Amino acid sequence: EIVLTQSPATLSLSPGERATLSCRASQSVRDNLAWYQQKPGHPPRLLIYEASNRATGIPARFSGSGSETDFTLTISSLEPEDAAIYFCQQRSNWIFTFGPGTKVHI
Amino acid sequence: QVQLEESGGGVVPPGKSLRLSCAVSGFSFGNYEMVWVRQAPGRGLQWVATISHDTSQRHYEDSVEDRFVVTRDNAKNTLFLHMNSLRPDDTAVYYCARGRDIDLPFYIFYGLDVWGQGATVTVS
Repeated sequence: EIVLTQSPATLSLSPGERATLSCRASQSVRDNLAWYQQKPGHPPRLLIYEASNRATGIPARFSGSGSETDFTLTISSLEPEDAAIYFCQQRSNWIFTFGPGTKVHI
Repeated sequence: QVQLEESGGGVVPPGKSLRLSCAVSGFSFGNYEMVWVRQAPGRGLQWVATISHDTSQRHYEDSVEDRFVVTRDNAKNTLFLHMNSLRPDDTAVYYCARGRDIDLPFYIFYGLDVWGQGATVTVS
């Protein structure tokens, strides 16, 4: 089973600052990694797929990078509405796993 | 408008069964893999099950294998999760989510791009 770890667990930043979130896989997942944003009481929202591709309607301040085992989600200039928990997810054939999440406070 | 809507959640005693439904609209349901994901109170996301567009492939998270069954009715645009022998640690919000369009390559991970609002299951 592929295990995803995320760091930091919590991030506290001010509006306009840059946020850098990390996701590490226990073995290579190639580019099969996605990022989601979740706000309280809402389902997750897909931000990034295939490690670096923004999903439809996602603002350009969100970007993804990395491959194999090390991935990064960057929010270039934080907006107040970016306060949320961010999860990474990998797919290995038909099996998915999620990371534990990074909570971003603005 | 692309929509997923779960139903069938509720409160059930341990050992009992429950069936969740996910009604789909706004896209060609029969062309997509579908996924169930759950979230225990105050916890992260946990993948539960995946079903291929034609039901030929069904895969489960280890803790629900042999207790949960995922099915679909493409004619009725509906996904199901049959949950048996429920345990208190199955308590969670259960989300259905849209997976891969079968016309796209299997080796590229497009993510789960549409989610329902979730159905709450409490085992107590």
